[in-house]
Amino acid sequence: DAKTTQPPSMDCAEGRAANLPCNHSTISGNEYVYWYRQIHSQGPQYIIHGLKNNETNEMASLIITEDRKSSTLILPHATLRDTAVYYCIVRVKGTGTASKLTFGTGTRLQVTL
Amino acid sequence: DGGITQSPKYLFRKEGQNVTLSCEQNLNHDAMYWYRQDPGQGLRLIYYSQIVNDFQKGDIAEGYSVSREKKESFPLTVTSAQKNPTAFYLCASSSIYGYTFGSGTRLTVV
Repeated sequence: DAKTTQPPSMDCAEGRAANLPCNHSTISGNEYVYWYRQIHSQGPQYIIHGLKNNETNEMASLIITEDRKSSTLILPHATLRDTAVYYCIVRVKGTGTASKLTFGTGTRLQVTL
Repeated sequence: DGGITQSPKYLFRKEGQNVTLSCEQNLNHDAMYWYRQDPGQGLRLIYYSQIVNDFQKGDIAEGYSVSREKKESFPLTVTSAQKNPTAFYLCASSSIYGYTFGSGTRLTVV
């Protein structure tokens, strides 16, 4: 299973862009990169995912390098409500047709005034 | 609204007792999962199930058991064999379009 590496914590000023990096150097060709975030004592919330092209939705943008060994989640205008732990996850295949998420340690993003 | 319901939100049990955590989804998802989270840690996979009457061990299955008698339900039993059961437990389900998590159950064993 491909593993991910993220910095344990980051700070960002409110209104500025938050750029969260993730390394996944052992990712396979058919594995997707998913990003979730978890606010304290709640279930993780889906943000965005991608295979090899850059992706954008109403919450964030995902930039994946050409060799797919790393990616960056961009929150274009961070707010205090974006303070959370952000998980970069590579979708793996379990036995049979099952798919399971392997979670790394995540990055604790603190957005400040 | 479709989603995953975990109940109860907080649960207290005495040491040595088995306890069952509920997870129900109305998303028509085939796959369901149970994760454990300890303070300051990431999520670790306990069990997962692709279809009814089938489930597989995750990374930390010892001391836990599950059943999948209905597509909508995937209850987790924390047995007395689990040495450190106090934790935050998360249930999730998935389809080809992505994953959805419940709001979690915080289990405290005293």
